[in-house]
Amino acid sequence: SQQGEEDPQALSIQEGENATMNCSYKTSINNLQWYRQNSGRGLVHLILIRSNEREKHSGRLRVTLDTSKKSSSLLITASRAADTASYFCATDESAGGTSYGKLTFGQGTILTVHP
Amino acid sequence: DGGITQSPKYLFRKEGQNVTLSCEQNLNHDAMYWYRQDPGQGLRLIYYSQIVNDFQKGDIAEGYSVSREKKESFPLTVTSAQKNPTAFYLCASSTGGRGSDTQYFGPGTRLTVL
Repeated sequence: SQQGEEDPQALSIQEGENATMNCSYKTSINNLQWYRQNSGRGLVHLILIRSNEREKHSGRLRVTLDTSKKSSSLLITASRAADTASYFCATDESAGGTSYGKLTFGQGTILTVHP
Repeated sequence: DGGITQSPKYLFRKEGQNVTLSCEQNLNHDAMYWYRQDPGQGLRLIYYSQIVNDFQKGDIAEGYSVSREKKESFPLTVTSAQKNPTAFYLCASSTGGRGSDTQYFGPGTRLTVL
């Protein structure tokens, strides 16, 4: 089964509104990453949050991580039509603090921002 | 320009044929990865390589094969044993090692079986 599962599966908002996407996972992780994919293209890395961090910011992006609940959220503030894309969380699983060296991706949230 | 390239962008295969998808990177990354993406789905790991001349199976390796003879190149062969190969294939690379870090993705190859 998928390690990371996003919620909601699809989100439709107006320009200027905030968008929040959630990700849940099952096992211990070294870090959690968020990626963006425009239709038919490769993925682009957005932000990485390590297991000992609780919150991280990058421009209009804010990511939180709650390891006790095994969940993360991605907030995009003041959204723009150009933010329309699919957003994926990816977890780097670990055993005893050692990374397996690979990421496990969730199924993604499709975000549509209407002008 | 540094980056990761995949070719071809579109590929059509007849039933029973093997096809090879190319992935090249000039980022001097040790680790490379192959993923499969089906419509409306996330990425599933096919194979990954953390160093030249070494690779490991991912979650869905059956019907696929890879080689890693050069640091820059990680070609994926979709064999006739793969029963449902129509999908979008993404290659990625990272600095690698046992630590985790950002993966850089190529633009993808869309494979269609005729």
